[in-house]
Amino acid sequence: GENVEQHPSTLSVQEGDSAVIKCTYSDSASNYFPWYKQELGKRPQLIIDIRSNVGEKKDQRIAVTLNKTAKHFSLHITETQPEDSAVYFCAAPNGHNQGGKLIFGQGTELSVKP
Amino acid sequence: AAGVIQSPRHLIKEKRETATLKCYPIPRHDTVYWYQQGPGQDPQFLISFYEKMQSDKGSIPDRFSAQQFSDYHSELNMSSLELGDSALYFCASSLGSLGEQYFGPGTRLTVT
Repeated sequence: GENVEQHPSTLSVQEGDSAVIKCTYSDSASNYFPWYKQELGKRPQLIIDIRSNVGEKKDQRIAVTLNKTAKHFSLHITETQPEDSAVYFCAAPNGHNQGGKLIFGQGTELSVKP
Repeated sequence: AAGVIQSPRHLIKEKRETATLKCYPIPRHDTVYWYQQGPGQDPQFLISFYEKMQSDKGSIPDRFSAQQFSDYHSELNMSSLELGDSALYFCASSLGSLGEQYFGPGTRLTVT
């Protein structure tokens, strides 16, 4: 089955700086990669996703890049703000389905210092 | 926009008791997933349903069972509760098995 590795586990940046979180996956057939933001005690919130037919997707201050050859994808947050502080999870589907059950990375706790 | 609804939001049970968690998917969503999240952990997949049929099964104990009803809501039944079952239980829904998954607010289960 799919295995997802995420790093770093913690990331501290100054407000206004950029933050990058990286994930690798094992199943070359995976073709859908969502990112979730989770505040303490709250639900995981889908913030952006990418499908394998594109290499990059951007939505305002967040972007995701995908390298299928290397089997890794990254989340980029620019002009970070204190409200970006949360735990971020990458995920990949288990198996060949574009959707289906998600296997999550271990999470990255992002702290944005004012 | 309507979101995934879960009830109850908090539940306290004693060991060996039973619990039932309910999930109401986003309208028109036909696929439901259940995840368990321990403190400081990533969500772990338990089970999913597509069009009222079980579509996949993860690390769900035999003490747990689930089903999806004709109105697409789902229930997770947990019996012989153990202390280690204390966790956040999230339900997510999607449109079809290939759609984006949107999570509900979760049920915090505490077993004492």
